[in-house]
Amino acid sequence: AQSVTQLDSHVSVSEGTPVLLRCNYSSSYSPSLFWYVQHPNKGLQLLLKYTSAATLVKGINGFEAEFKKSETSFHLTKPSAHMSDAAEYFCVVRLGGYQKVTFGTGTKLQVIP
Amino acid sequence: DSGVTQTPKHLITATGQRVTLRCSPRSGDLSVYWYQQSLDQGLQFLIQYYNGEERAKGNILERFSAQQFPDLHSELNLSSLELGDSALYFCASSPALLGRDTIYFGEGSWLTVV
Repeated sequence: AQSVTQLDSHVSVSEGTPVLLRCNYSSSYSPSLFWYVQHPNKGLQLLLKYTSAATLVKGINGFEAEFKKSETSFHLTKPSAHMSDAAEYFCVVRLGGYQKVTFGTGTKLQVIP
Repeated sequence: DSGVTQTPKHLITATGQRVTLRCSPRSGDLSVYWYQQSLDQGLQFLIQYYNGEERAKGNILERFSAQQFPDLHSELNLSSLELGDSALYFCASSPALLGRDTIYFGEGSWLTVV
């Protein structure tokens, strides 16, 4: 079985300061991991994904995430928050084959001017 | 634009009614997923199809059903609608079933049951 835990339901940062959104996963096998972003009243957009290549993954809009197997973590970071980053972020774990995708409960990011 | 198209974008209907949500996956994608997103339940996986066959089932109610057609588009049928079915319904697609495949989401269909 697989699961994913987003440790914070809400994160608030000031514009220009770093962003850290935490995600821990549980999986019996080597998973693929994804981060999606959902802006208000919009669909989910892929930010980045890890698929057993480089452990540091760079995504769109300056986001990156590091896969740490020993900590079973895949935290999302950005050096400097922008107002447009305010959205909800979902961490996703997926195994191969016919396994369904498992979404985290989401983290709402607030960016304060 | 993800390439996944969902219709209608918005739908208002009465309790007890039946609606059909339609999804066209990205060109070439064989796998289609349906998700329900509501304020109290968050994002819930409903069902997955691959090349016309059901492959995985999540928290889908018996009043709901789905299918994937030979041209790979999919429909989600919601019947005997209740107020609690009001939600945003997402369709997503991916090339196949591989774990590393990216899943691409549509913009969603907003369903309001009154």
